[in-house]
Amino acid sequence: GQNIDQPTEMTATEGAIVQINCTYQTSGFNGLFWYQQHAGEAPTFLSYNVLDGLEEKGRFSSFLSRSKGYSYLLLKELQMKDSASYLCAVIDSNYQLIWGAGTKLIIKP
Amino acid sequence: ETGVTQTPRHLVMGMTNKKSLKCEQHLGHNAMYWYKQSAKKPLELMFVYSLEERVENNSVPSRFSPECPNSSHLFLHLHTLQPEDSALYLCASSQEWGQQETQYFGPGTRLLVL
Repeated sequence: GQNIDQPTEMTATEGAIVQINCTYQTSGFNGLFWYQQHAGEAPTFLSYNVLDGLEEKGRFSSFLSRSKGYSYLLLKELQMKDSASYLCAVIDSNYQLIWGAGTKLIIKP
Repeated sequence: ETGVTQTPRHLVMGMTNKKSLKCEQHLGHNAMYWYKQSAKKPLELMFVYSLEERVENNSVPSRFSPECPNSSHLFLHLHTLQPEDSALYLCASSQEWGQQETQYFGPGTRLLVL
């Protein structure tokens, strides 16, 4: 079966750096998304990786290793507003989007 | 108004009620989606419409009935739901279906079935 694994919950301190990991086992691979979802709000697009390596976008970076079936989202200079759930999703060979259960990130002052 | 909107934002209904969820996208996209989001579970894809034609129905009970009258609007008709159907129902859209497209989500309807 197809599976996306990410930690259920993480806690970090304001101003620090946190890395949220995502591992996947899917039938084929056509890209990986990261979304942010604040409580009670819509998931919003953060990043898309299809080639190996690091994509940087401001305080957020996303890394992909296709050979390892692994991605991470790196958040720098954490702010209280970064408290949210972070969803990892993979496009399989049939262009179906397979979702992880999300990682709830709690930022403490 | 821009993006994807959903109404109502919150809904409480009894098991014998009939209600409808509405989604509207203002992005000019051709594909629209209904998802169910339950706590600590992955998003569950329910239905996909591409150019107003249903292209996926992932074994969803018949008490959920989608309707797509045009490429900007999507409805989810609810009838004789069960308490386990209580969840956040998210609508999304993308430029096309079946490609490496980013999906854009509405804020969801929080549904409670009593």
